[in-house]
Amino acid sequence: IAGITQAPTSQILAAGRRMTLRCTQDMRHNAMYWYRQDLGLGLRLIHYSNTAGTTGKGEVPDGYSVSRANTDDFPLTLASAVPSQTSVYFCASSVTGSYGYTFGSGTRLTVV
Amino acid sequence: GNSVTQMEGPVTLSEEAFLTINCTYTATGYPSLFWYVQYPGEGLQLLLKATKADDKGSNKGFEATYRKETTSFHLEKGSVQVSDSAVYFCALALNAGNMLTFGGGTRLMVKP
Repeated sequence: IAGITQAPTSQILAAGRRMTLRCTQDMRHNAMYWYRQDLGLGLRLIHYSNTAGTTGKGEVPDGYSVSRANTDDFPLTLASAVPSQTSVYFCASSVTGSYGYTFGSGTRLTVV
Repeated sequence: GNSVTQMEGPVTLSEEAFLTINCTYTATGYPSLFWYVQYPGEGLQLLLKATKADDKGSNKGFEATYRKETTSFHLEKGSVQVSDSAVYFCALALNAGNMLTFGGGTRLMVKP
């Protein structure tokens, strides 16, 4: 099925633990993004990658890191989780020169 | 900087009522404008878009017109259905393939 797969669907994580959220796309889109969605704040960009091998910081990058070793995968890592990182995380992808993103179904993360 | 402002929700309507969700933007350039919809438990889906002034985007009975003079892109539907209950996000991008800036989202609840 063409699209974006995110894993896990949900997770409860102890504060201070390390966690990697996975994102895989099979559409060969060159650009990928990580957003967090918080009530009343909409979606805020954490990190992005315009092409494999490159990454950039978004609006709220602190506490998060990403890598883009290949076109399909764009994992998001929380090195040491804090309760303020409790959120729903969405991965998205797009093609340079076109409009519109494809979104994954999200990962609901609760840090306790 | 770029920003998108949406009316706060929730918006509660009866079935077959007329819907307007206001969206205004601030941009450093000449953006393209989008409406995304998020159904419960899912990721965002592109609903409609407009890439230049006076363009009207439309899909599934929803419409929005790009008004450069008022920097607005209000979403309208003549007769809502229960199945339209969702969260609606207005967004902008300065260039094709560029990153999206989202508004805070407006939750729509349609009662039978």
